[in-house]
This record gives sequence, C-alpha cells and structure tokens, in this order.
Amino acid sequence: DSQMTQSPASLSASVGDRVTITCRASQSISTYLNWYQQKPGKAPKLLIYVVSSLQSGVPSRFSGSGSGTDFTLTINSLQPEDFATYYCQQTYSTPWTFGQGTKVEIK
Amino acid sequence: QVQLQESGPGLVKPSQTLSLTCIVSGGSISSNNYYWTWVRQPAGKGLEWIGRIYTTGSTSYNPSLKSRVTISIDTSKNQFSLKLSSVTAADTAVYYCARVSTARDGYNHYYFDCWGQGTLVTVSS
Repeated sequence: DSQMTQSPASLSASVGDRVTITCRASQSISTYLNWYQQKPGKAPKLLIYVVSSLQSGVPSRFSGSGSGTDFTLTINSLQPEDFATYYCQQTYSTPWTFGQGTKVEIK
Repeated sequence: QVQLQESGPGLVKPSQTLSLTCIVSGGSISSNNYYWTWVRQPAGKGLEWIGRIYTTGSTSYNPSLKSRVTISIDTSKNQFSLKLSSVTAADTAVYYCARVSTARDGYNHYYFDCWGQGTLVTVSS
C-alpha cells in the first residue's frame, strides 16, 4: 500500500497568511495526487486533482505542486472559510489511501 | 447536478451485517465515465477507502476489509450498495458514498468529485 504522510498535523494561522501543507508518499505515485477540504460535520470536498488542477468553483488562492513522492498544497491569503481539515489522497494504486489530515486553525 | 444520498440503519449489532445504499440523482449510474465508491471516517479520525464499483459490476476492495465487504450496483434503481459483515465497534463510523471521476488526460487519474452527506453507523448491542 502507498502510505500518505501529511505535515504538519495541525497549524494555526491568521486570515491573510500563506499556508503550506506537505504530503509525502511512501513510494512514487507520479501525479496521482488529490487534495480535499473537510469542515466539521460535512463531507470532504474536492479541491485539487492530478496535483495541480483546480476543481471547478474552487478559489484560485488554492494551488498544488509536486510529483513522485513529495507534494504541497498552498493556500495564498487564507480566508475565514478556509479553516478546515485538509487531506491528500493517492489514486496511483489500490487501495486508494488518504493522508491523516492537516487541521488549519485560527490563530 | 449529480447528488448522492446514503441511507440505511444507524445502529447495527455486533457480528451482524451493516447495509447501506447510495441513491444517485441528477445523473445516470450507468455512465461509462465513473466509478462509484464508499469511504468511511471514524469519529475524530481520517478517511478510509472501502472499495469501488463500476457500472459493469466490477469491484475493487481495500484488502483490510476485503473478506467482509461486498459492493453491488443496481442500475435500474440508479443506486449502489455496501454490505459489511461481522461488524464490531471498530466499524463505527460515518460512511460516505462518492462518485469517482477520471481526468481527461488518458492516464486514469481518479478523483472523488461528488460526495454524499454521510451517514453515521454505530455498532453496539
């Protein structure tokens, strides 16, 4: 299985900050990497697929990069509605796996 | 716009079988463009992929659950289902159904672009 490790597990940031979340795969997953946002009590929401493709309707302050084993999600100018938990996911091989999540909290 | 809705018992006794259905509206489950999948999330924890099914009935399961999981599809009712047998308290979680799309790049880049709201299933006597 491809294990996905996110860092940090949580972070505190202020509105307007630039936030970077890292996701590392235990083996190369090429560009088969997606990012999701989840708010409390809600289903996850797709933000980015294939490393850097923005899902329709997602603000352009979200961006992704990376390939192979190391990936990043960047949120430029953090907004109040961005406080949530973020998950990376690999779909290179089954079982498809998620990172453990990064909780972005208000400082 | 496609919508997914999970339904099923919220309480299941230990050793019994958990059964959930995901009703798809606003689009056809028979489309060749999608897989359909189940994901679960224990309270306060991360997401675990359970398995997927294609319109043909072809399935793939997480090996950690494979011996207990069955996912099926009913194209006439535009729905797909999850059965998890021999449940224990460790199977208590919110269960989500989702649609799996493929990027139009010819490389089978899959992603979960549409999710149900989730349903809490508690395993308890």
